[in-house]
Amino acid sequence: AQKVTQAQTEISVVEKEDVTLDCVYETRDTTYYLFWYKQPPSGELVFLIRRNSFDEQNEISGRYSWNFQKSTSSFNFTITASQVVDSAVYFCALSEAQDYGGATNKLIFGTGTLLAVQP
Amino acid sequence: EPEVTQTPSHQVTQMGQEVILRCVPISNHLYFYWYRQILGQKVEFLVSFYNNEISEKSEIFDDQFSVERPDGSNFTLKIRSTKLEDSAMYFCASTPTLLGGYTFGSGTRLTVV
Repeated sequence: AQKVTQAQTEISVVEKEDVTLDCVYETRDTTYYLFWYKQPPSGELVFLIRRNSFDEQNEISGRYSWNFQKSTSSFNFTITASQVVDSAVYFCALSEAQDYGGATNKLIFGTGTLLAVQP
Repeated sequence: EPEVTQTPSHQVTQMGQEVILRCVPISNHLYFYWYRQILGQKVEFLVSFYNNEISEKSEIFDDQFSVERPDGSNFTLKIRSTKLEDSAMYFCASTPTLLGGYTFGSGTRLTVV
């Protein structure tokens, strides 16, 4: 069965610290997608990244980086030099859809990690 | 950049009343979804919709819920007789293809009193 675990419920850091948010997933499929979303206090879901299971290269986008390791079923997210504006809930998500003629590609979300960045 | 639009942003309703949450997906998208997030909890899949029919629904999506795409542009979620536990943020999403990137709307916060 699909499952996403974000063991860190809350993390508090001081501005300019680096912080890593953990995500561990379970899936039976060899083809799947992993996502990270940011949910600021205003409530909307802000897309950060989508990675497919065949692409294990780490990704960097500005202060954000992602480490995908299939051997440990993890897709961790690091914010370098955190800022107050990074304060939000961050969700990791998984989808297993394959283009086999099916008609659904639902996302399975983790429980989220609340990141508080103190000035 | 194209957006998924949800209205209203906040709706308050009395227990037992029917509510309709409205979504306008991106115009060339073909796959539509509703998700629910109870306050402080994770985002949960409710239903997916393709080719004018439900393609998958979760166990949350019971007989009180229904979805419709009445006119080729709107995608609605109806809750027939609201309960207190239906209070949540409801997100609509769409994708252009089955494996295409998701676009979420900004959500409708439903409060049942």
